[in-house]
Amino acid sequence: GNSVTQMEGPVTLSEEAFLTINCTYTATGYPSLFWYVQYPGEGLQLLLKATKADDKGSNKGFEATYRKETTSFHLEKGSVQVSDSAVYFCALSDSGGSARQLTFGSGTQLTVLP
Amino acid sequence: GAVVSQHPSRVICKSGTSVKIECRSLDFQATTMFWYRQFPKQSLMLMATSNEGSKATYEQGVEKDKFLINHASLTLSTLTVTSAHPEDSSFYICSARPGTSYNEQFFGPGTRLTVL
Repeated sequence: GNSVTQMEGPVTLSEEAFLTINCTYTATGYPSLFWYVQYPGEGLQLLLKATKADDKGSNKGFEATYRKETTSFHLEKGSVQVSDSAVYFCALSDSGGSARQLTFGSGTQLTVLP
Repeated sequence: GAVVSQHPSRVICKSGTSVKIECRSLDFQATTMFWYRQFPKQSLMLMATSNEGSKATYEQGVEKDKFLINHASLTLSTLTVTSAHPEDSSFYICSARPGTSYNEQFFGPGTRLTVL
């Protein structure tokens, strides 16, 4: 079956530090890959996505590259801000099945200190 | 665009009562909607998938008689927690997939249910 493994948190960084949150996946077929962000007390917001190998998703300074050879989709940001403090979820959507359900990683809590 | 709303955002109820949570896609038609449950500091657990006009498909271990899902229109799905008990207290999140998008889901802001 499909699975997503995320780097365990919590992660605490100082403002302007470099961020990497690792994500690897197992899937059949050709999945699409996503990063979602969840701020306290809120639902999930799509941060970025990539639908095929070597695609790079980017948004708000965050980037992630779909690496088929290493089955990875690591999230990076060059300089984090306090406002980036949230929980980040890596997810995949399998190419099989009409429902295209999302499989989520366990989430990584990020805290950025001023 | 692609906004999903949930109502209510918070609900507190007594044990034994039923609670209905609404999920609406505000600016698109959602052929498929998903209901998730999230425990504190944990990931989202898919409860069920609903397609407009048909019965929901429940994930293993989710009681369909306990969590009633109705997807009566292309913009509305409801989750009713019947005879709620304290262990049903959780954060319930819905998502909606547009008919025009094969990959993407848009999430609602979530509903915090507390059963006393």
